Amino acid sequence: QVQLVQSGVEVKKPGASVKVSCKASGYTFPGNHMHWVRQAPGQGLEWMGWINPNNGGTNYAQKFQGRVTMTRDTSISTAYMELRRLRFDDTAVYYCAREVDGSGFKPFDYWGQGTLVTVSS
Amino acid sequence: QSVLTQPPSVSGAPGQRVTISCTGSSSNIGAGYDVHWYQHLPGTAPKLLIYVNINRPSGVPDRFSGSKSGTSASLAITGLQAEDEAHYYCQSYDTSLSGWVFGGGTKLTVL
Repeated sequence: QVQLVQSGVEVKKPGASVKVSCKASGYTFPGNHMHWVRQAPGQGLEWMGWINPNNGGTNYAQKFQGRVTMTRDTSISTAYMELRRLRFDDTAVYYCAREVDGSGFKPFDYWGQGTLVTVSS
Repeated sequence: QSVLTQPPSVSGAPGQRVTISCTGSSSNIGAGYDVHWYQHLPGTAPKLLIYVNINRPSGVPDRFSGSKSGTSASLAITGLQAEDEAHYYCQSYDTSLSGWVFGGGTKLTVL
């Protein structure tokens, strides 16, 4: 069965960077775009961007451009999301989510369990 | 402020029907992009509830249905059950932002 397993809780200081991993299993990793979505406390879901695991191509939300980098390691079926220059308002649960394969703008059918990132001085 | 507008909260008694609206614009829903809906329970990952406007993934009860018209979409839940109490989010693509967008989310309370 498809599973996305994310790395654990992170506590960072303002200005630091965080890198969250998302290990995929149960399907062919290069076959589906992987997205990253976050939810700040008391807020809704916010899309951050996607990576095409097949070729490493990325598309980032305008809000995060210049501060986020999404990468992948196909040898271990793992996607990564690095966010730099962390601010207090980056405190959130970060999710990876698999996009259904195929053309067009497909839904996200499987999600990781979420990784809490806390930015605190 | 979200590009897709949802009511912050809705409520209904067990067995009743509720609807959750998702209002967009000509750069997203009105441009013909599909709408997807997710159910999110605290402490869990969001779950895909409706995809491509009207379709239910396997395992989602037929009490849940979706529709889309013009620049808006709706999620309807009939025969409300206590387990339906959750946050619900609509999602679409926005051509002006060149990216995916979510609604602000709606908290459903089962009275």
